[in-house]
Amino acid sequence: EVQLVQSGAEVKKPGESLKISCKGSGYSFTSYWIGWVRQMPGKGLEWMGIIYPGDSDTRYSPSFQGQVTISADKSISTAYLQWSSLKASDTAMYYCARGGYGDYGLHDAFDIWGQGTMVTVSS
Amino acid sequence: EIVLTQSPGTLSLSPGERATLSCRASQSVSSSYLAWYQQKPGQAPRLLIYGASSRATGIPDRFSGSGSGTDFTLTISRLEPEDFAVYYCQQYGSSLTFGPGTKVDIK
Repeated sequence: EVQLVQSGAEVKKPGESLKISCKGSGYSFTSYWIGWVRQMPGKGLEWMGIIYPGDSDTRYSPSFQGQVTISADKSISTAYLQWSSLKASDTAMYYCARGGYGDYGLHDAFDIWGQGTMVTVSS
Repeated sequence: EIVLTQSPGTLSLSPGERATLSCRASQSVSSSYLAWYQQKPGQAPRLLIYGASSRATGIPDRFSGSGSGTDFTLTISRLEPEDFAVYYCQQYGSSLTFGPGTKVDIK
């Protein structure tokens, strides 16, 4: 079964760092793009960025450039989203999702989604 | 950046009725790189339509997509109880952006 399994919910204080994960299984992890999507409480979906685990080619939404870091460890089929200094406004559900295949896969829909990781930032 | 606008914001219908959801782009979406997703409360989004009109694996044929350029439509021919949800469009031709969503609720 093709699936993405995300790490569990996190509760952090403002200023703390955080790295959440997304582990792929059932397919060739290095051959498909993985995107990250934010959903703030009661709000819509926002694309944050995307990575190709095969060579770590990464693209960011202008809204999130410099605010987060996306990375991947292909040896363990896992993608990451990290913050160096969290803010209360980072409180949201974060989803990873599988994009397209290979070099042209940047232009493809997200066909498989993780279950989401809820991040709560509060003093 | 391509901005997507969805209308209406909320659509109130009864089971068995036809739902027509609109997604309009601020500029032409290349190669009809337009997708639709369904999201139910407490769940991750699910891909329904890609390439403007192709149904994703396992999606019932009551869901159909159409359109090109800047105007796209998702049609649900006869609403089933499980179809009441929020629907998002997404373009992936120039970077990626999502629309704000349309909520389909029970009248």
